[in-house]
Amino acid sequence: EDQVTQSPEALRLQEGESSSLNCSYTVSGLRGLFWYRQDPGKGPEFLFTLYSAGEEKEKERLKATLTKKESFLHITAPKPEDSATYLCAVQDIRDDKIIFGKGTRLHILP
Amino acid sequence: NAGVTQTPKFQVLKTGQSMTLQCAQDMNHEYMSWYRQDPGMGLRLIHYSVGAGITDQGEVPNGYNVSRSTTEDFPLRLLSAAPSQTSVYFCASSYSQDRLAPEQFFGPGTRLTVL
Repeated sequence: EDQVTQSPEALRLQEGESSSLNCSYTVSGLRGLFWYRQDPGKGPEFLFTLYSAGEEKEKERLKATLTKKESFLHITAPKPEDSATYLCAVQDIRDDKIIFGKGTRLHILP
Repeated sequence: NAGVTQTPKFQVLKTGQSMTLQCAQDMNHEYMSWYRQDPGMGLRLIHYSVGAGITDQGEVPNGYNVSRSTTEDFPLRLLSAAPSQTSVYFCASSYSQDRLAPEQFFGPGTRLTVL
């Protein structure tokens, strides 16, 4: 059975304090791993798709990396507007099902 | 383009009532899905569809029915609402392409309360 586990559940950082969020996954065959951002009261917003181990993608202060068992979302010098819940998901190549983790709530203090 | 639209935004039901949550997209996406989101539980997949006429079960399908008669619409039916179905429901869509995993576009959500 496909599984996605995110850690930590919540993270509080000072503005400018870099850190990483973890997403470990189990899937029979990986079609793709996604990272989304979700603000309170809104639907998730797409950030990245990663396809194979060793792949990296960047967008502003965010960089996502992928290994065969986990993905990291690195946040460099975060700002208060980066505060949100970050969700990881995997798509199974066998049945195209997309399964999400429970998310990491990130709070950046000014 | 309106993107993914969901109606209603809010709904209150009594136990045992039935209702349909509407989802429509105007991007000609083949792939559509329904999730529920509860505090501390993340997004859980209810049902999904890879194209018109094709639906499949997700992680938590019990108590919900779907159909996909057109590419644009993917309604979610609650046959007999229960308090455990109180949640925020999100619909999402994406195009399908072999060997790729395109991003999903999410609707604004429907907040459902079952008394």
